[in-house]
Amino acid sequence: TQLLEQSPQFLSIQEGENLTVYCNSSSVFSSLQWYRQEPGEGPVLLVTVVTGGEVKKLKRLTFQFGDARKDSSLHITAAQPGDTGLYLCAGPGSARQLTFGSGTQLTVLP
Amino acid sequence: NAGVMQNPRHLVRRRGQEARLRCSPMKGHSHVYWYRQLPEEGLKFMVYLQKENIIDESGMPKERFSAEFPKEGPSILRIQQVVRGDSAAYFCASSPPEAIRPQHFGDGTRLSIL
Repeated sequence: TQLLEQSPQFLSIQEGENLTVYCNSSSVFSSLQWYRQEPGEGPVLLVTVVTGGEVKKLKRLTFQFGDARKDSSLHITAAQPGDTGLYLCAGPGSARQLTFGSGTQLTVLP
Repeated sequence: NAGVMQNPRHLVRRRGQEARLRCSPMKGHSHVYWYRQLPEEGLKFMVYLQKENIIDESGMPKERFSAEFPKEGPSILRIQQVVRGDSAAYFCASSPPEAIRPQHFGDGTRLSIL
């Protein structure tokens, strides 16, 4: 069973600060996806990283896939209250289903 | 373009009753996935279906839970004789045949067991 561990589990910061959340596994993944989930809604796909060492940017969000494809990070620059949410990483399991990490609950205070 | 539609959004049942959760995939998507999410946790895979076929049900409890995706109509996740531990948010995702993983999730059904 491939497991994804996310850290920290909870993060509360002030508006304007930078932050990094992590997604780690002992297994190699062919790709990893990052989602954001807001209360009462389903997860929304932010990005898919495929190549070891890959870096993708989405406005103030920077996603990195580790060289060995066992870990990934999400860095947010100058966080805003609108960034508040549950950030989930996910990797492919068997038969096209996704294995999710337990998430990082981010709260950005104004 | 309508996204993945789930209904009801909220469902309250008493212990021992049946719960039926419905999922209509995005137009053109023939693959449906069901996930369960407990409070402050990630999503746990339950079952993956194509039209009229269950492809992978390795994450679904053997007792009381069943899923179907008929040729016509939505996919149904059915929980019989519900217990308190079934309280959770249930999410459905869909993908087209050529996609290698689901990408679009519905907004879920929040099931509460009294």
